[in-house]
Amino acid sequence: EVQLLESGGDLVQPGRSLRLSCVVSGFIYDDAAMHWVRQAPGKGPEWISGISWDSSIKNYADSVKGRFTISRDNSKNSLFLDLTSLRPEDTATYYCARKRDGCFDHWGRGTPVNVS
Amino acid sequence: QSVLTQPPSVSGAPGQRITISCTGTSSNLGTNFDVHWYQQLPGTAPKLLIYNNFIRPSGVPDRFSGSRSGASASLAVTGLQVEDEADYYCQSYDSSLSAWVFGGGTKLTVL
Repeated sequence: EVQLLESGGDLVQPGRSLRLSCVVSGFIYDDAAMHWVRQAPGKGPEWISGISWDSSIKNYADSVKGRFTISRDNSKNSLFLDLTSLRPEDTATYYCARKRDGCFDHWGRGTPVNVS
Repeated sequence: QSVLTQPPSVSGAPGQRITISCTGTSSNLGTNFDVHWYQQLPGTAPKLLIYNNFIRPSGVPDRFSGSRSGASASLAVTGLQVEDEADYYCQSYDSSLSAWVFGGGTKLTVL
């Protein structure tokens, strides 16, 4: 069974930093492109960052470029997102997701980040 | 303002058929990037419902179907059931933004 489990979300003040983690099981993590998608309360999902299987390619949405950093540790089946210079508009539930053929075929349950 | 445009809400009675539209632009659906659909039940993560325009993942009932025409796509649900009540999102890739993009979502109410 495929499982993705995020952690690290918290209530933080504007300008502070946070590290989100996602641990994966149930598929060959080394082969997978992984992404972070967030969803603000009452809004639709927003893609924010993605990383290739070997970390050679990293992409960011304009809304987080320069503030967020994605990384992964294939030896630990883990994905990370470092959030810095947090703003109130970054308040959302953050999901990690596996990307396959252009879509996000498996999602975690999400971890909430509240910037206030 | 979402890059992909969906109606905010649709409704139907149990057993009926509804469709949800998703309209893109020349930099996403109009450029033949595939469209994908997700179902989000209250309090849960989005779940992949249709990928590559019309393919259902294993376990998704055949009451759900996807279609595509130019810069637009549609999700159809036949034989509506109460448990279909959820938010539905379309998603694609946008070459101008270099980003994966979602529609604003459509809330399906089963009357």
